Amino acid sequence: AQKITQTQPGMFVQEKEAVTLDCTYDTSDPSYGLFWYKQPSSGEMIFLIYQGSYDQQNATEGRYSLNFQKARKSANLVISASQLGDSAMYFCAMREGGGGGFKTIFGAGTRLFVKA
Amino acid sequence: NAGVTQTPKFQVLKTGQSMTLQCAQDMNHNSMYWYRQDPGMGLRLIYYSASEGTTDKGEVPNGYNVSRLNKREFSLRLESAAPSQTSVYFCASRHTRGRSGELFFGEGSRLTVL
Repeated sequence: AQKITQTQPGMFVQEKEAVTLDCTYDTSDPSYGLFWYKQPSSGEMIFLIYQGSYDQQNATEGRYSLNFQKARKSANLVISASQLGDSAMYFCAMREGGGGGFKTIFGAGTRLFVKA
Repeated sequence: NAGVTQTPKFQVLKTGQSMTLQCAQDMNHNSMYWYRQDPGMGLRLIYYSASEGTTDKGEVPNGYNVSRLNKREFSLRLESAAPSQTSVYFCASRHTRGRSGELFFGEGSRLTVL
């Protein structure tokens, strides 16, 4: 069965420093996709980054990168040069079945606090 | 472009009352989803619809029903609301073509059951 685990309920980081948010997953499907979403205090869900299970390279989107370690079933989000606006909840998510799959499940989330 | 629109945004119910949350998307997406968000538990999938005419249970379907009315609209119904259904509900959609197929979310509907 699909499972997503985020073990850090809260994280603090100093402005301009890098931070890593942990995510581990479990699936028996060889084809799957991994996502990170951001939820600011305003409540909307914002898509950040995607990694496919067959992708050879780690995904990057601006200051976001996904550290994909397939053998360890981990998909950590790295935010470089943190900004005050990065303070938010961050959710890791997984969809089985690659692009044709439908069911997407989420982890419990990590709240990130960026200190000035 | 409106994206994903949910109504109502806020609702207070008494135990046992019924209500329907409406969701519509204008992005021509095939798949639509209903999630609930509770503190410390992330988003949990209630039901989803892979395409028009199909619906499937997610992680927490008990106490809910859904209708995929057409390609644009996917509603969530609480037949007899319980305090345990107090939550923030999110509707989402995605296209099934393309590489990532990320979810596009509505703004959420905050439901309180007294």
